[in-house]
Amino acid sequence: QQQVKQSPQSLIVQKGGISIINCAYENTAFDYFPWYQQFPGKGPALLIAIRPDVSEKKEGRFTISFNKSAKQFSLHIMDSQPGDSATYFCAASRSTGRRALTFGSGTRLQVQP
Amino acid sequence: EAQVTQNPRYLITVTGKKLTVTCSQNMNHEYMSWYRQDPGLGLRQIYYSMNVEVTDKGDVPEGYKVSRKEKRNFPLILESPSPNQTSLYFCASRELNSNQPQHFGDGTRLSIL
Repeated sequence: QQQVKQSPQSLIVQKGGISIINCAYENTAFDYFPWYQQFPGKGPALLIAIRPDVSEKKEGRFTISFNKSAKQFSLHIMDSQPGDSATYFCAASRSTGRRALTFGSGTRLQVQP
Repeated sequence: EAQVTQNPRYLITVTGKKLTVTCSQNMNHEYMSWYRQDPGLGLRQIYYSMNVEVTDKGDVPEGYKVSRKEKRNFPLILESPSPNQTSLYFCASRELNSNQPQHFGDGTRLSIL
């Protein structure tokens, strides 16, 4: 049972375009929603994160949109660059207890020059 | 430099031969955990530890053991590896009571023949 569902599985975007990755969660106890970026041969690295008290967070070209009632959140990458080509994972966790990150299945993004 | 270091990075071994994957962090983090990454499944937590001598099961603990005798080290032990444990493994650490993200190592690719 996957508690965080991520789509699409893969995405090809032209340089300068907008990349959009979507995630949906089931557990309403989750209160922390990070996005991780992973390059081949490396571990996931935190890209941007949001808590459910805000509906949007922007850091540079990266924006998280969060819809608490729909239990959905998404990552938008504006002005996508070839260097953004990587696998992106959404995740969710609780601030108490086990604090485990529950990951989505990942999206492989390819930005074509 | 803040680091989570895993060894080995790659290992090919045979069914039933005990192996240990080491993990060490230099950030004085209380919380450490192990994840496995499989295609289409994202990362799933195997075991976690909130402090020295305090460990507990994650989502997929079967076939694994861990220990936390020192704060900086959190080895993953496969006492009798089987082919279904062929995977990419990540160790992660974070401060226990803060909003700081988890830091991941660069991964260990295990192949069990």
